[in-house]
Amino acid sequence: GDSVTQMEGPVTLSEEAFLTINCTYTATGYPSLFWYVQYPGEGLQLLLKATKADDKGSNKGFEATYRKETTSFHLEKGSVQVSDSAVYFCALRGPNSGNTPLVFGKGTRLSVIA
Amino acid sequence: DAGVTQSPTHLIKTRGQHVTLRCSPISGHKSVSWYQQVLGQGPQFIFQYYEKEERGRGNFPDRFSARQFPNYSSELNVNALLLGDSALYLCASSLLTGNTEAFFGQGTRLTVV
Repeated sequence: GDSVTQMEGPVTLSEEAFLTINCTYTATGYPSLFWYVQYPGEGLQLLLKATKADDKGSNKGFEATYRKETTSFHLEKGSVQVSDSAVYFCALRGPNSGNTPLVFGKGTRLSVIA
Repeated sequence: DAGVTQSPTHLIKTRGQHVTLRCSPISGHKSVSWYQQVLGQGPQFIFQYYEKEERGRGNFPDRFSARQFPNYSSELNVNALLLGDSALYLCASSLLTGNTEAFFGQGTRLTVV
């Protein structure tokens, strides 16, 4: 079945450092890919998405590019802030068949220190 | 506009009891999905409902059931609670099933003791 593998955390960075969180996937067909963020004590918020190969999703300084050849969707940010401290989840949704739930990775906890 | 609302936010139950969790989707959204997030793990799909019909079910035992009402709100029921059912239960709503953006509520934190 479909699956998502993320780099294990926790990741600890200093403010203004460069962030990369690796994500690879296994899926049949061409899934849509997502990054969700979960702040302490809260639910999930969609951070960015990409629906086809070579698409780049971006939001709040975060970016990720849908790489079909490497089945990857790595999350990057050029300069992290303390407020970016959260758990980040990579997820996929299979091709539209009417019943395609999200499949999540295990999450990567990011801590940014001032 | 109100987002996805879930109730209660927290609750504590004893093993063997039954629990009902509630979710109100974003206005106009007809699809509701339920996910279980165990501490330190990613969310796992439990159910999807669209237009009051079950459209998908994850790998969970029959102790888990759900339904969707005419106003598109939903309930998740869990019978004969086990310690392992302790988790954050997330509800997500979307306009349609399939490849559309899902919006999550803040979740219900269930603790089974």
